[in-house]
Amino acid sequence: AQKVTQAQTEISVVEKEDVTLDCVYETRDTTYYLFWYKQPPSGELVFLIRRNSFDEQNEISGRYSWNFQKSTSSFNFTITASQVVDSAVYFCALNAGNNRKLIWGLGTSLAVNP
Amino acid sequence: GAVVSQHPSWVICKSGTSVKIECRSLDFQATTMFWYRQFPKQSLMLMATSNEGSKATYEQGVEKDKFLINHASLTLSTLTVTSAHPEDSSFYICSASRGGTSIAKNIQYFGAGTRLSVL
Repeated sequence: AQKVTQAQTEISVVEKEDVTLDCVYETRDTTYYLFWYKQPPSGELVFLIRRNSFDEQNEISGRYSWNFQKSTSSFNFTITASQVVDSAVYFCALNAGNNRKLIWGLGTSLAVNP
Repeated sequence: GAVVSQHPSWVICKSGTSVKIECRSLDFQATTMFWYRQFPKQSLMLMATSNEGSKATYEQGVEKDKFLINHASLTLSTLTVTSAHPEDSSFYICSASRGGTSIAKNIQYFGAGTRLSVL
């Protein structure tokens, strides 16, 4: 079975704090893709990153960084020096198999307070 | 690139009427489009997968006669909620992905969503 678990339902931080959003996945496929999407209060989901199962290199994009560890089936997302504009719901998702469907986590609601 | 436009963004209708929602990929060809429904503070629930030129594939429990999906071109898919009732009130979101051998073919790009309120 394929599954994505985002154990943190809600996180609240103060601006400039670092915050890590956890994502744990399950799949029996050897080839798969992991995604992070951001859904701000406006509702539109924004694609942040895609990582395939053969690429365990961590990625950094500005204040965002992602840590992919196959050994623990995790794909965690860290925001450094958080800002109020980072307040949103963040979804982790998995694509495996021969279709393009995404298996979604339940999302983590991040509130960054001034 | 990869812009998806969804209209309308908000619609209020009377019970029993039908509502059509459009999803367009503006700067790429989308061989596959997806329709989701999202309840407040919940995750996305996939309703159906739509491939250009063929019938949509509905997820279990989704009534295909109630939620009509048409994907007539590589840039347009529509969702029609037929004979809408208050329980159909929700946030509907479409996404589109590139086709063929594109290296990004499994990345879904999302529209802004449509908030449907059925009175």
